[in-house]
Amino acid sequence: DTGVSQDPRHKITKRGQNVTFRCDPISEHNRLYWYRQTLGQGPEFLTYFQNEAQLEKSRLLSDRFSAERPKGSFSTLEIQRTEQGDSAMYLCASSARQGNEKLFFGSGTQLSVL
Amino acid sequence: DAKTTQPNSMESNEEEPVHLPCNHSTISGTDYIHWYRQLPSQGPEYVIHGLTSNVNNRMASLAIAEDRKSSTLILHRATLRDAAVYYCILYNQGGKLIFGQGTELSVKP
Repeated sequence: DTGVSQDPRHKITKRGQNVTFRCDPISEHNRLYWYRQTLGQGPEFLTYFQNEAQLEKSRLLSDRFSAERPKGSFSTLEIQRTEQGDSAMYLCASSARQGNEKLFFGSGTQLSVL
Repeated sequence: DAKTTQPNSMESNEEEPVHLPCNHSTISGTDYIHWYRQLPSQGPEYVIHGLTSNVNNRMASLAIAEDRKSSTLILHRATLRDAAVYYCILYNQGGKLIFGQGTELSVKP
């Protein structure tokens, strides 16, 4: 399977704990995106990378969220001191190059904060 | 980011054509019209995109109005597997996809 892979599929944590998610994009794709989706809503943009450079970060993203993409390959999204409002599906997508190319999404990581 | 307007929900019968409308009156000359769909418990999936001319692929057709202020995604024969949320998105080169609420399509057998 050469699609976008996300790990874990599900994460349950207690409020105040830190969590980290991983995304492995399609191998030749240099753009990587993170989105968040709550029930009944469309995906909300969080941030994106071109290779290892983080080019844009949503103003809605608090300082508790950080994303990295070392060496321009896989990416991690960390949430520190989780809150119940962080409960959502976290989606990763990748694309081949900037421009009008299509995005390929993973199946997401479902986070539940108790 | 230019916005799109879609109906919240639509219903279709299996094996009949479905026309999903999208209004984008503030579209700019460089905005492409993209459609994605999201099946239950999955990430969004690319369906089709276009700029000015109508487009066809194996999944669907995209009809774009002459003034580009609206477009229609056409599923020629709906199947139960087409039940999903369909998103119409304006996408500019180098930007990111901004999703709206989309249209939830249900397909009746």
